Amino acid sequence: EVQLVESGGGQVQPGRSLRLSCEASGFRFDEFAMHWVRQAPGKGLEWVSGISWDSGNLGYADSVKGRFTISRDNLKNSLYLQMNTLRPEDTALYYCAKVMRFRSALDYWGQGILVTVSS
Amino acid sequence: DNQLTQSPSALSASVGDRVTITCRASQDIRHDLNWYQHKPGRAPKLLISDASNLDTGVPSRFSGAGSGTDFTFTISSLQPEDIATYYCQQYDNLLLSFGGGTRVEI
Repeated sequence: EVQLVESGGGQVQPGRSLRLSCEASGFRFDEFAMHWVRQAPGKGLEWVSGISWDSGNLGYADSVKGRFTISRDNLKNSLYLQMNTLRPEDTALYYCAKVMRFRSALDYWGQGILVTVSS
Repeated sequence: DNQLTQSPSALSASVGDRVTITCRASQDIRHDLNWYQHKPGRAPKLLISDASNLDTGVPSRFSGAGSGTDFTFTISSLQPEDIATYYCQQYDNLLLSFGGGTRVEI
């Protein structure tokens, strides 16, 4: 059974940093690209960042480019999101998601982790 | 950047009604368009990939169609458990984007 479990969220002051983790199990983690998607309160889904299976290709939304860094450790079956210079508008539920084999869809998602940026 | 425009943003229908949501891309994305169902407190769920491929276990009342820039998502007979927000999503070499979502109510 595929499982994705996010951790590392919480409340943080504006300008500070936070690192999210996503631990994967139930599939060959090193074969699949992974993504972070967020949902701010009362808003829709927003793609944040993605990483290829081998970390050779990275992508970021304009809203987080230069502040967030995605990475992965295939030996630990883990995905990370380093979030620096956090802003109140980064407050959201953050999901990690796995890309479907041979397709572009996100076929498995974690339950999400809440990040609140507030003074 | 390829933008996705989804409409309507919300709709209200009766049980048994046929419901259709549209998603328009600003550039040709061939069939690279996916649809998700999102219920409050739950993780988003993939329903349809590549414009029209129903994911495993998804009821056949859900369907998708389209290619290029214009896509549709249909619920042929709305059920109470279909109350949710639905999103389209496109993919361009690790850069994803979502439509604004359609909230479906009964």
